[in-house]
Amino acid sequence: ETGVTQSPTHLIKTRGQQVTLRCSSQSGHNTVSWYQQALGQGPQFIFQYYREEENGRGNFPPRFSGLQFPNYSSELNVNALELDDSALYLCASSLGLAGRDTGELFFGEGSRLTVL
Amino acid sequence: AQSVTQLDSHVSVSEGTPVLLRCNYSSSYSPSLFWYVQHPNKGLQLLLKYTSAATLVKGINGFEAEFKKSETSFHLTKPSAHMSDAAEYFCVVRGSGGYNKLIFGAGTRLAVHP
Repeated sequence: ETGVTQSPTHLIKTRGQQVTLRCSSQSGHNTVSWYQQALGQGPQFIFQYYREEENGRGNFPPRFSGLQFPNYSSELNVNALELDDSALYLCASSLGLAGRDTGELFFGEGSRLTVL
Repeated sequence: AQSVTQLDSHVSVSEGTPVLLRCNYSSSYSPSLFWYVQHPNKGLQLLLKYTSAATLVKGINGFEAEFKKSETSFHLTKPSAHMSDAAEYFCVVRGSGGYNKLIFGAGTRLAVHP
């Protein structure tokens, strides 16, 4: 167990809807990253938040947005859902930018989103 | 740009035999490389990491990997497979940009047979 918890674990949406996924980071960790893992593929980096600000973003459109709260928990929001957004969404936490030196991210078990 | 290629999508071994999962990397500078494991319905767990210290890296559960610059490889090995090793394994390189972006390979599914 990593101490990173995500909710909900599973959800089903229809095209065009909006979704919010939540993540509680491991105690003491102030950096949160989000990854999208499509079926049969490796995770892809969406973005990272450090001290409530986005400080890195992957190749995802603006309809993917996020928030980090003062307690370091985080949300991932996806607007105008498309069928290709169906995936496992993983949240990972690490301690500050020291995480850059170790690469050790602590992952949650993910939220599986199905878009119909 | 950094990237990794996992050379096998599926590997099947018998319990007690050696495991070899192959990974090649591409990087314009000295890379930070990792292996992560994902068991069914579980989150990703770090097995080991290379960050320019010793080229032979030992990880958890008896796994190790050797960084070979001349071959741009970072293969994962284990002398003797256990049934509990059955999982998806990802070779990972840290991306550039000053933040903790990890670039994952497509994964290798390891099956272990009795």
